[in-house]
Amino acid sequence: QSVLTQPPSASGTPGQSITISCSGSSSNIGVNTVNWYQQLPGTAPKLLIYSNNRRPSGVPARFSGSKSDTSASLAISGLQSEDEADYYCAAWDDSLSAHVVFGGGTKLTVL
Amino acid sequence: QITLKESGPTLEKPTQTLTLTCSFSGFSFTSSGMGVGWIRQPPGKALEWLALIYWDDDKRYSPSLKTRLTITRDTSKNQVVLTMTNLDLVDTATYYCAKYSTGQHGFDVWGQGTTVTVSS
Repeated sequence: QSVLTQPPSASGTPGQSITISCSGSSSNIGVNTVNWYQQLPGTAPKLLIYSNNRRPSGVPARFSGSKSDTSASLAISGLQSEDEADYYCAAWDDSLSAHVVFGGGTKLTVL
Repeated sequence: QITLKESGPTLEKPTQTLTLTCSFSGFSFTSSGMGVGWIRQPPGKALEWLALIYWDDDKRYSPSLKTRLTITRDTSKNQVVLTMTNLDLVDTATYYCAKYSTGQHGFDVWGQGTTVTVSS
């Protein structure tokens, strides 16, 4: 089991908006920022959101992130077929020695 | 342009030691705030962070794998090496190296990954 909890799957139709949740604890999301990664089929992950809600250059504005207490969310508006991918949240965890933890991933299907 | 590329054996036997090399270009590893990390992904499963080495040679390891992992760097060759001892079948995975940025607290550029199969 992953330290960060994500729903295993999500789906939506083109143009819709969806949200993917990421639940953590006081030792990770509660005290550190959250990043989101997008992994298109057969490719390496790509940084999608950093520091909870910041987008790297080139990431469309329809991707947004938020954080509250020990949970975070990734929102995608105006869903497109090319958004079909696996999405992972990640954060530093301060328990034991500081280390990075990932969520179990959410497979997004665009119907 | 920043690039990273993983290299190493594709097949290893149980109990052996795996050595993976990440060769990178386009950034200076001695610049403050830089790091290179390793992340793996078993077939059909989630990402798992393994280790990270910073520009100042500080190192971080996954607590569950710490006793088996060693991460080192060769700044003259622009390489980071990960060794994993006592391999098991469950270590079969695609292994990625990625550039870490303290400014973003995340891995902002990834290599293509290298697949390692552990089998007798």
